[in-house]
Amino acid sequence: AQSVTQPDIHITVSEGASLELRCNYSYGATPYLFWYVQSPGQGLQLLLKYFSGDTLVQGIKGFEAEFKRSQSSFNLRKPSVHWSDAAEYFCAVGARNFGNEKLTFGTGTRLTIIP
Amino acid sequence: KAGVTQTPRYLIKTRGQQVTLSCSPISGHRSVSWYQQTPGQGLQFLFEYFSETQRNKGNFPGRFSGRQFSNSRSEMNVSTLELGDSALYLCASSPRGDEQFFGPGTRLTVL
Repeated sequence: AQSVTQPDIHITVSEGASLELRCNYSYGATPYLFWYVQSPGQGLQLLLKYFSGDTLVQGIKGFEAEFKRSQSSFNLRKPSVHWSDAAEYFCAVGARNFGNEKLTFGTGTRLTIIP
Repeated sequence: KAGVTQTPRYLIKTRGQQVTLSCSPISGHRSVSWYQQTPGQGLQFLFEYFSETQRNKGNFPGRFSGRQFSNSRSEMNVSTLELGDSALYLCASSPRGDEQFFGPGTRLTVL
């Protein structure tokens, strides 16, 4: 069964500082990997995704993530955070086989930005 | 193109009642999935429908059910509500099953 671990429940970063959110996954083959962001009371917005190819993926809002197969990781990074980045971030893994569409989410990392 | 819409956005029910939530996917998307989000359990997969057929089901009791119509719109139903069913219920649609687009959710409160 697939699983996702986000080891950091809460991270506080100063505005303008760099950010890295960790994500480790467990899956029997090469997975689909996603990062979503959720603002309070809102649904999930896709930041970026990895399906295949280049292991460094660029997303929206200046985010990027790197797929490292040897470490089963898909960490999210941003070189300089903005106050508007404060939200909850979820890493998710999806099955590759058509007909098994479901996402398994990590427990999320809450990001706080301090001025 | 309009996004995923969910109605109602907020709902208050009492224990023992039943509730029906609605989801309209993005036009052209044939797969609709439902997730439950709670502070304690996080985001959990409920079920997924494709062309009016349930293809996947999560580990939820039979009180949770769903269906999909020929226009891909989907409903989920929870019968005999319990306090623990209070949650944000998210619907997501997908054109191919790989990338899912989420709606804003329905916040259900059970008193």
